[in-house]
Amino acid sequence: GQQVMQIPQYQHVQEGEDFTTYCNSSTTLSNIQWYKQRPGGHPVFLIQLVKSGEVKKQKRLTFQFGEAKKNSSLHITATQTTDVGTYFCAPLWDFGNEKLTFGTGTRLTIIP
Amino acid sequence: DAGITQSPRHKVTETGTPVTLRCHQTENHRYMYWYRQDPGHGLRLIHYSYGVKDTDKGEVSDGYSVSRSKTEDFLLTLESATSSQTSVYFCATADYDEQYFGPGTRLTVT
Repeated sequence: GQQVMQIPQYQHVQEGEDFTTYCNSSTTLSNIQWYKQRPGGHPVFLIQLVKSGEVKKQKRLTFQFGEAKKNSSLHITATQTTDVGTYFCAPLWDFGNEKLTFGTGTRLTIIP
Repeated sequence: DAGITQSPRHKVTETGTPVTLRCHQTENHRYMYWYRQDPGHGLRLIHYSYGVKDTDKGEVSDGYSVSRSKTEDFLLTLESATSSQTSVYFCATADYDEQYFGPGTRLTVT
């Protein structure tokens, strides 16, 4: 079946350092969503990317969708303790298919 | 947050017993989903619904059944619980693209 690989699985950074997580597919995606889950919480939608090469920013977070629509990344600049959590990508391969597939997530911990 | 509640929030049950988890939404969203979350596996789709009485299987549907008799309620049933079904179960709803998740149910099968 269609799968996506998300790397790294874990990332420990000093507060103030940057953080990046990557999501890679072997086949072309229709779009991709990103979610954040705080420890003990539930996933919360961050953003959706649809267009080839699309770049979107939310304050210190930058989301990119590759030109071939096979990969995506989430970059956080100058991490803060509030960024702690697990970040999931959720690609959609077919428009009109309501089933999202989630990556395994990248768990971010911050060293104060 | 969207108005999504799950009940119970925690449950411990014995192997072989039936278990039903309930998801209730007040948003009138068309789509509803059940996921399970296990360490190292992320979120895996169990079943989903695209309308009242319209459901379909996800990637890990064996051992689970669902029902949706009203827009606002989506039930997940484990007919005969097994230890491998110990997990955290999340319900989610969606109207268009963004999915809204409930708080989760922690189920332990002993």
